[in-house]
Amino acid sequence: GAGVSQTPSNKVTEKGKYVELRCDPISGHTALYWYRQSLGQGPEFLIYFQGTGAADDSGLPNDRFFAVRPEGSVSTLKIQRTERGDSAVYLCASSLLGDRVDEQYFGPGTRLTVT
Amino acid sequence: GQQVMQIPQYQHVQEGEDFTTYCNSSTTLSNIQWYKQRPGGHPVFLIQLVKSGEVKKQKRLTFQFGEAKKNSSLHITATQTTDVGTYFCAAPLRAGGTSYGKLTFGQGTILTVHP
Repeated sequence: GAGVSQTPSNKVTEKGKYVELRCDPISGHTALYWYRQSLGQGPEFLIYFQGTGAADDSGLPNDRFFAVRPEGSVSTLKIQRTERGDSAVYLCASSLLGDRVDEQYFGPGTRLTVT
Repeated sequence: GQQVMQIPQYQHVQEGEDFTTYCNSSTTLSNIQWYKQRPGGHPVFLIQLVKSGEVKKQKRLTFQFGEAKKNSSLHITATQTTDVGTYFCAAPLRAGGTSYGKLTFGQGTILTVHP
C-alpha cells in the first residue's frame, strides 16, 4: 500500500501562532515516530508512539509541543506559540512493531517556517 | 547526552572512486541502522546490523559493525552519481530506561559524486 504521508508539505506561520502537523503511517504499523530535522543535521527524535500511547516523549523540547495518536493510526503534532527556532522539517516515521528496533519508514516531511 | 558521532561531514569523490563513512559511539550499541537521504528527500532505511563483527553487503555497499559494537562503517565501492546523498547511521541509545523506538542519528556524511 501507500507509504507514510504527511500534511501539509509546507507550512508558513507567524511567530506566536498554533500549528498542527499530521502524519498518516503505513497501515498496520504499530509504532509511529516524530523527528525534527534542521538543515545539515540528522533527524532529532521528538516522540514515539506504541499504539495509542506515547512510549517515549523525552525528545519534546518543551511544553509547547504535544502529540496525539487517539486511534492508534493517524498522529498529530501540535505546536503552540510557535517561535522562529521551531522552523525545521518535521519528519514522521512508522514501523511494524516498535517493541524492538526495526526498520523505520519515513514520510516526506512537513517543512515548517515560522516568520 | 549520549551521541553517535559520524565522520566525515562531507566527502567529494570522482565517479568510480570508493567512499567510506564512519560512525562511533562511546557506549556499546545493541544494534545500528544506516539510512540514506537524497537531496530534498527523506531518510530511507538501508540496513540494520545487530551482531558483533557483523558484515553485510548490498551490491556495492558494505556495512560493518565493530567487534565491540561501538563503531560501524559504510563503504561504497566504485561510486556512481546515483549514490549522491547524505548517509546517516542511527542507533537506540538508552537514557535511563529502555526505549527501543528512540533512534539517535549521527550528523550524517554528505556525499557528492563528480561525473
